[in-house]
Amino acid sequence: QVQLVESGGDLVRPGGSLRLSCAASGFTFSDFYMSWIRQAPGKGLEWVSSISSSSTYTNYADSVKGRFTISRDNAKNSLYLQMNSLRAEDTGVYYCARHIAASAWFDYWGQGALVTVSS
Amino acid sequence: DIVMTQSPDSLAVSLGERATINCKSSQSVLYSSNDKNYLAWYQQKPGQPPKLLIYWASSRESGVPDRFSGSGSGTDFTLTISSLQAEDVAVYYCQQYYTTPYTFGQGTKLEI
Repeated sequence: QVQLVESGGDLVRPGGSLRLSCAASGFTFSDFYMSWIRQAPGKGLEWVSSISSSSTYTNYADSVKGRFTISRDNAKNSLYLQMNSLRAEDTGVYYCARHIAASAWFDYWGQGALVTVSS
Repeated sequence: DIVMTQSPDSLAVSLGERATINCKSSQSVLYSSNDKNYLAWYQQKPGQPPKLLIYWASSRESGVPDRFSGSGSGTDFTLTISSLQAEDVAVYYCQQYYTTPYTFGQGTKLEI
């Protein structure tokens, strides 16, 4: 069955860095686009970034552009999010999710990784 | 950016009754070349990730009970639960995937 498992969430100080990982299994990872979507505590969903199946294309929300970098390793069935210059407003649960194409729905989501940015 | 606005913010419906959630996009998410609406609906229960219910505005994801249905086109969409069950208590989100940034509605909290 499809599984997406995030890791790397932690408490980090403002201005710090963190790298999230998402391990995929149960499907052909290299066939799918992948995205990161976050949810601040008690709030709604915000798309953060996406990457094409072969890493050719990446997209970012304006709120993270220049600070976050999405990447993937198809040989390791893994997705990553490098987060630099973290701010308090980056606090939340970060989900990885797969989609079959750039303009497609998110059909499977991981359980999420909690990132807390606080001094 | 396409702004997605849901109504109402919260909704209380009796068991067995119909629940209706609306979603309006600030611009059309209907792609004329394929006549498809780039609109999905998700259900999120406390402590869980969102679960896909509907895509292409009206196509039900495999395994989703048929009491869930989606309708609408262009800028106005509706998620209907025909006969509310206790397990349907959740927050529901609409989302457009017509263009980046992919955007979600603010969520509608459904209670019994």
